[in-house]
Amino acid sequence: NAGVTQTPKFQVLKTGQSMTLQCAQDMNHNSMYWYRQDPGMGLRLIYYSASEGTTDKGEVPNGYNVSRLNKREFSLRLESAAPSQTSVYFCASRTEPNEKLFFGSGTQLSVL
Amino acid sequence: AQSVTQLDSQVPVFEEAPVELRCNYSSSVSVYLFWYVQYPNQGLQLLLKYLSGSTLVESINGFEAEFNKSQTSFHLRKPSVHISDTAEYFCAVTTISGGYNKLIFGAGTRLAVHP
Repeated sequence: NAGVTQTPKFQVLKTGQSMTLQCAQDMNHNSMYWYRQDPGMGLRLIYYSASEGTTDKGEVPNGYNVSRLNKREFSLRLESAAPSQTSVYFCASRTEPNEKLFFGSGTQLSVL
Repeated sequence: AQSVTQLDSQVPVFEEAPVELRCNYSSSVSVYLFWYVQYPNQGLQLLLKYLSGSTLVESINGFEAEFNKSQTSFHLRKPSVHISDTAEYFCAVTTISGGYNKLIFGAGTRLAVHP
């Protein structure tokens, strides 16, 4: 049972480049999330998907787009990367609001 | 809008001393409350959660947290810390509302336990 799988683990981009972070879970969870973690700021919610076919903005959605491709997959896209998007990105999922989150191993993104 | 405030960014403490990590939230409706822990170079793990019922919840490694609705707080405590408790601790809140499933984290408190 793989849990939550994120790819890639590391990525370096130049300003203005685009990329998509992939996330897949095999636990049949309804809800999926994208967070970014920055020193001193904790985890900030970028976007989330409460169920297949729905997505909603979190705390810091600007500069990002998401796609809930199916129940398993939830991708995060940076259309035009900026240095301010240098961060560690975590995908997470859970089945119900009262249950714990399962996290992916993270993607360390540097935008030069 | 819901938000979470962790009042201390860093808490240094000596081994075997008690510790309290503070967390306040804002929400106009009922909430579920969580504490997560992140050990160095690891991902986040659930430490404990409050859903309903008894306002005092406990974890398996000696931490406890008390839900105080009037003060909108969910402080985390341990009566005697160990070196191995050194980690970053995150408070998180989910607002309970039909179909609503947003989980917001606080900025984190770095607990440093010294010998």
